[in-house]
Amino acid sequence: DAGVTQSPTHLIKTRGQQVTLRCSPISGHKSVSWYQQVLGQGPQFIFQYYEKEERGRGNFPDRFSARQFPNYSSELNVNALLLGDSALYLCASSLEGVNEQFFGPGTRLTVL
Amino acid sequence: RKEVEQDPGPFNVPEGATVAFNCTYSNSASQSFFWYRQDCRKEPKLLMSVYSSGNEDGRFTAQLNRASQYISLLIRDSKLSDSATYLCVVNSGGSYIPTFGRGTSLIVHP
Repeated sequence: DAGVTQSPTHLIKTRGQQVTLRCSPISGHKSVSWYQQVLGQGPQFIFQYYEKEERGRGNFPDRFSARQFPNYSSELNVNALLLGDSALYLCASSLEGVNEQFFGPGTRLTVL
Repeated sequence: RKEVEQDPGPFNVPEGATVAFNCTYSNSASQSFFWYRQDCRKEPKLLMSVYSSGNEDGRFTAQLNRASQYISLLIRDSKLSDSATYLCVVNSGGSYIPTFGRGTSLIVHP
């Protein structure tokens, strides 16, 4: 079975630009969560979606938004990029909720 | 006090040693707990869930101490391949916001 997939793997943007990251969950998983991880820290929760509805939102500005599609894949959008948005963005899927989650390989975003 | 705290280490141990990590949490309403392993520049991988009764999987044992609000991970007979960062995750009851610790780095040397 395929695991969680994310695209792109790497991305370089400049300040002020917008970015869209994509995630496909494990087949049969209905919940997708997004995390930001900076070097030396644990992943920070951004959003969780379940059955296309937002179920949780972390302490991130409104520049961050996400959605989940009928096939349970998800997109994370970040507007007006700042240098501090440079990080590894991880997507995790689970059957339901925040129980055992399975992570994708991440998208490494660099903002110049 | 941070919601979830871990000693970042690194813990430097020889092969065959037994090593234990703790992870403290501040929210007494926390309901589910996990340990993940993360290799350098890779995604976290689920290592084990932590149940009230404890959980053992081969050389790995996880325990929960609700009274003192911490979870622990014990690794016996350490292997070189156990070198990684170990992240604890705490989910608070009624919330869909899992909180990760910053991770504890383990280095197992020959």
